[in-house]
Amino acid sequence: KAGVTQTPRYLIKTRGQQVTLSCSPISGHRSVSWYQQTPGQGLQFLFEYFSETQRNKGNFPGRFSGRQFSNSRSEMNVSTLELGDSALYLCASSGLAGDHLLEQFFGPGTRLTVL
Amino acid sequence: LAKTTQPISMDSYEGQEVNITCSHNNIATNDYITWYQQFPSQGPRFIIQGYKTKVTNEVASLFIPADRKSSTLSLPRVSLSDTAVYYCLVGDSDYKLSFGAGTTVTVRA
Repeated sequence: KAGVTQTPRYLIKTRGQQVTLSCSPISGHRSVSWYQQTPGQGLQFLFEYFSETQRNKGNFPGRFSGRQFSNSRSEMNVSTLELGDSALYLCASSGLAGDHLLEQFFGPGTRLTVL
Repeated sequence: LAKTTQPISMDSYEGQEVNITCSHNNIATNDYITWYQQFPSQGPRFIIQGYKTKVTNEVASLFIPADRKSSTLSLPRVSLSDTAVYYCLVGDSDYKLSFGAGTTVTVRA
């Protein structure tokens, strides 16, 4: 079974630009979560999608948004990039047992650098 | 988001047992506790998951007291390759996912 894939793996942008990151979950997984990881803040939850609906959201500004498609693939978008948005963005997919998320499988991440 | 607390770092030697405790006072009734391991430049990797009492798999054990406000990950007989950051993951009363700050475990020869 193929793992979680994220594209691109590396990205360099300048302040004020916007960026779109893509995540393809493991086949059959309908839940996709996004996380931001920085040396100073650690791993922080951005949002979680299930069946094209955002179910959970972390404490990030509205510049961070996402969506999920009918095939469970997900994208996240960051508008008006700031230097502090430089981070590793991780996507994770999971199956569900009721409302309970099962083991999350993480992708390799997208390293975003904002200059 | 739930407040989870873990030690920032722990040192150990090869062959010893390492126990990492995570505090999670706002855990939701139906939420599970999950621990992940992360090596540099890689995404986190699932270690173990539990709801209450004790869970054991081939790499670790998870101890959860009756009130479920904390959990302890136990790594038996660690090796150098167990040097990594360990995170506990729980849901809080708003069902938002929260990782702890992570515990850096360093195993020395």
